[in-house]
Amino acid sequence: YVLTQPPSVSVAPGQTARITCGGNNIGGKTVHWYQQKPGQAPVLVVYDDTDRPSGIPERFSGSNSGNTATLTISRVEAGDEADYYCQVWDTSSDHYVFGAGTKVTVL
Amino acid sequence: DVQLLESGGDLVQPGGSLRLSCAGSGFSFSTYAMTWVRQAPGKGLEWVSTTSGSGAVTQFADSVRGRFTISRDNFKNTLYLQMNSLRVEDTAVYYCARVRRGYNVFDYWGQGTLVTVSS
Repeated sequence: YVLTQPPSVSVAPGQTARITCGGNNIGGKTVHWYQQKPGQAPVLVVYDDTDRPSGIPERFSGSNSGNTATLTISRVEAGDEADYYCQVWDTSSDHYVFGAGTKVTVL
Repeated sequence: DVQLLESGGDLVQPGGSLRLSCAGSGFSFSTYAMTWVRQAPGKGLEWVSTTSGSGAVTQFADSVRGRFTISRDNFKNTLYLQMNSLRVEDTAVYYCARVRRGYNVFDYWGQGTLVTVSS
């Protein structure tokens, strides 16, 4: 199962960033999102398509339908600059699958 | 607080072996599945292996099956990854992570340990 993410997204501070994750009927799976800043371990920011772990700002939200899942970052801040990865569990192979990642640059 | 601390990363020659460890604290270690995820230099995340809370069930990525073994010692709250027949392409930072109960998602991660396979 292949997850497709855009390599990069650029956004001005205060604006909204949308990071897509494409997959065949991904709407039928649950999608999770991780943020990774340079030199640091990944951090879970959205799980089960739309839920946020405790401590993650409400500015981070997710959606999933059809062939595309989306992580939305509202009111983008300089500290949101990072790589973002989507992830699913593929039942047909019993494998965890990550997207290739999207680098978010805050202009 | 949940903490995961990896160790064991090193420089090893192709064909060699290495064992990584991940010590967990701040949670009931034996009741959580645990996983290893790696990241080659400048590349994305790649799932490597997962084991159930008891250690009875294990899963492996195709790229490591037959070469890597995952195990755990729940008395020591420690997860292991035994890596044999190492290849240059196994060079990566190896992270251990906790699998959130009831979900196929990794909710806490360690800081990682670097494995370099080179002659």
